[in-house]
Amino acid sequence: TQLLEQSPQFLSIQEGENLTVYCNSSSVFSSLQWYRQEPGEGPVLLVTVVTGGEVKKLKRLTFQFGDARKDSSLHITAAQPGDTGLYLCAGAPNYGQNFVFGPGTRLSVLP
Amino acid sequence: EAGVTQSPTHLIKTRGQQATLRCSPISGHTSVYWYQQALGLGLQFLLWYDEGEERNRGNFPPRFSGRQFPNYSSELNVNALELEDSALYLCASSQRTWNTGELFFGEGSRLTVL
Repeated sequence: TQLLEQSPQFLSIQEGENLTVYCNSSSVFSSLQWYRQEPGEGPVLLVTVVTGGEVKKLKRLTFQFGDARKDSSLHITAAQPGDTGLYLCAGAPNYGQNFVFGPGTRLSVLP
Repeated sequence: EAGVTQSPTHLIKTRGQQATLRCSPISGHTSVYWYQQALGLGLQFLLWYDEGEERNRGNFPPRFSGRQFPNYSSELNVNALELEDSALYLCASSQRTWNTGELFFGEGSRLTVL
């Protein structure tokens, strides 16, 4: 069974601060995705990373896939209240297999 | 274009009853996934259907079952409901693009078991 761990579990910061959340596994994933879920809604895809060492930027969000494809990080610069939500990472172990999700990091950005 | 739609939005049942949840994927998507999200927790994988076949199943008891219809819509059935089955049940669809496909989620069906 592929297991994904995320840290921290909860994070509360002030508007304008920077933050990094982590997604780790002891197993290798062929690809990894980050989703954000807001209250009352389903998760929405932010990014997919497939190559070890890959870095992708989405405005103030920077995603990195570890060289060994076992971990990933999400860095947010100058956080805003609109960034508040549950951040979930999801990994696909092999081709043709479904994604498994981590437990999520619940981020609260206070104005 | 319509997104993934789920029904009902809310469902209240008592222990021992059966619940049926429904999902309509985005037009053109052949894969449907079901996840359980207990309050405050992440998503636990339940079932994956593609082209009418069950492709994979998560670590849930057999009383969780489902099917996919020829129009690719799907149904999740939970028999002999237990209190711990109370959760948000999320359905997602994707085009069958193996491991890089984006999952498009519905807003979920919240099941409460009393």
